[in-house]
Amino acid sequence: AQSVTQPDIHITVSEGASLELRCNYSYGATPYLFWYVQSPGQGLQLLLKYFSGDTLVQGIKGFEAEFKRSQSSFNLRKPSVHWSDAAEYFCAVGGKAGTALIFGKGTTLSVSS
Amino acid sequence: EPEVTQTPSHQVTQMGQEVILRCVPISNHLYFYWYRQILGQKVEFLVSFYNNEISEKSEIFDDQFSVERPDGSNFTLKIRSTKLEDSAMYFCASSNDARTNEKLFFGSGTQLSVL
Repeated sequence: AQSVTQPDIHITVSEGASLELRCNYSYGATPYLFWYVQSPGQGLQLLLKYFSGDTLVQGIKGFEAEFKRSQSSFNLRKPSVHWSDAAEYFCAVGGKAGTALIFGKGTTLSVSS
Repeated sequence: EPEVTQTPSHQVTQMGQEVILRCVPISNHLYFYWYRQILGQKVEFLVSFYNNEISEKSEIFDDQFSVERPDGSNFTLKIRSTKLEDSAMYFCASSNDARTNEKLFFGSGTQLSVL
């Protein structure tokens, strides 16, 4: 069955520290992988996506993610977190147009000063 | 930047009542979606819509739900007889990518509260 697991429900990081949010997936075909961010009262904003090619992908706001097929993982990273990064982060896997994106349960990021 | 617009931002209804959630997708988009997020849970796919018909739907999307594109701009989700467990944030999304979900744009959601 297709699924996405985000093992960490809530993470707190000090401002300026590095961040890694974990994501593992199960998908029958070649996965298209996404990270979305949701700020309070806002919709889902796409941070980055992986379809093929270079396994390290760059996104907006200084985020990057690395696709590791052997580990079925697509972890999100940022070298230095800013207070404005506090939000909920969702990993998702999906495929062709018109089909469902499968989301993980999300990780809430808090940033401490 | 173009955006997907959802109205209202918050809807309160009594159990058993019908509700219609409205979405205006980005104008040249062809694929339309509804997702929902129950508080504290993950975002779940409800339905996708293309060429005036449903492309795919989840188990959640039962006979109580329907979607419609009544004119060239709106995309609506109707819940015929709401239940308490329908309380959730409902997200509309649209895309003009005919191959993948790569260029999927989400609206800011409608929070539905069923009392």
